[in-house]
Amino acid sequence: AIQMTQSPSSLSASVGDRVTITCRASQGIRNDLAWYQQKPGKAPKLLIYAVSSLPSGVPSRFSGSGSGTDFTLTISSLQPEDFATYFCLQDYDYPWTFGQGTKVEIK
Amino acid sequence: QVQLVESGGGVVQPGRSLRLSCAASGFTFSNYALHWVRQAPGKGLEWVAVILYDGSNKYYADSVRGRFTISRDNSKNTLFLQMNSLRAEDTAVYYCARSGIGTGGSLGIWGQGTLVTVSS
Repeated sequence: AIQMTQSPSSLSASVGDRVTITCRASQGIRNDLAWYQQKPGKAPKLLIYAVSSLPSGVPSRFSGSGSGTDFTLTISSLQPEDFATYFCLQDYDYPWTFGQGTKVEIK
Repeated sequence: QVQLVESGGGVVQPGRSLRLSCAASGFTFSNYALHWVRQAPGKGLEWVAVILYDGSNKYYADSVRGRFTISRDNSKNTLFLQMNSLRAEDTAVYYCARSGIGTGGSLGIWGQGTLVTVSS
């Protein structure tokens, strides 16, 4: 199975900060990489698919980049509602695999 | 609106079985692949299984292959997960999710989850 290594596992940031989270795949996954946001007690929400595409309704402060094995989620200016846990997912090959998650906390 | 609603969770003893259901509404069920994803308490997300739109192909995580079976009834817009030989490490919230057109094949729609607790 493809391993997804996500970092950092947690970070503390302030409102307005620029935040970057990375995921590295153990092999190339083309552009089959998605990012999810999860708040406590809630189901995950799709933030970005196909590396850099935003579903309707997702704010433009979220962006994704990368290719092959290395991918990045960037929040350009952190807002209070962005404090949550973020996961990457490779949907290139079964079994699909998630990164371990990054908890974004208030500094 | 597009909706997935899981049911069937509960407390079950190790070695026993449980069947989860996921009722879909608001979209053409037979056009989409459907997945189960789980999350152990305080842990990350684990993809469990997928069944393609017509049920012809199914794939599983190594951790559940041979014990869990995913199936669907397109006439009733319902997804199932039959879980046999349950273990303590299967304790988790189980989500059903839809992938397909419009989200690059990723999981764009999720249910609210159902909790399975495996304990004696």
